[in-house]
Amino acid sequence: GAGVSQSPSNKVTEKGKDVELRCDPISGHTALYWYRQSLGQGLEFLIYFQGNSAPDKSGLPSDRFSAERTGGSVSTLTIQRTQQEDSAVYLCASSRTRAGTSTYNEQFFGPGTRLTVL
Amino acid sequence: EDQVTQSPEALRLQEGESSSLNCSYTVSGLRGLFWYRQDPGKGPEFLFTLYSAGEEKEKERLKATLTKKESFLHITAPKPEDSATYLCAVQAPPGNTPLVFGKGTRLSVIA
Repeated sequence: GAGVSQSPSNKVTEKGKDVELRCDPISGHTALYWYRQSLGQGLEFLIYFQGNSAPDKSGLPSDRFSAERTGGSVSTLTIQRTQQEDSAVYLCASSRTRAGTSTYNEQFFGPGTRLTVL
Repeated sequence: EDQVTQSPEALRLQEGESSSLNCSYTVSGLRGLFWYRQDPGKGPEFLFTLYSAGEEKEKERLKATLTKKESFLHITAPKPEDSATYLCAVQAPPGNTPLVFGKGTRLSVIA
């Protein structure tokens, strides 16, 4: 079946420009996550959507970062006025909602978008 | 604060030389511990979820175990294709919450 897809795979931009990164989760997955992976660092949580609930934005590093999820499916991460320290791989993941006594906590990741800010 | 520490940072093995990767964690109530494999230029690939101390899971040459403070990923008779970065992550309650990742162990298996 189709996995998580992300676009673009690579993005090169100039400092100060805005960028939009897109994520298509696995069909039927209600939870969607954005993480950032910088060179030499572990994956860092950014933002989390669960169904129709308000997103958990606690990981966003500054107010230049925002994300939305339309129709409970596709998500867009927007970075305004990009800085060189924003250069990283941005990863999206999705998971199913817990159902009854079973748990479906596994998060499945997309291939990532490599962002380079010059 | 939830934390995950993986060791060693890098490991070089000869083909067939078994070894273990360590993941030590502190979390306010463990919901699940996850192992992922990440190849260069790709997103993490899910391997295992462990939910309680004493649990073990196996897949081909890999076996993951869990105690109350750490998890091990045992690699038996590794092959060059097992070369990758192995990531460990923990999840706190209530569930479907973001994962807290370690920095990974970079494994190289030499033929």
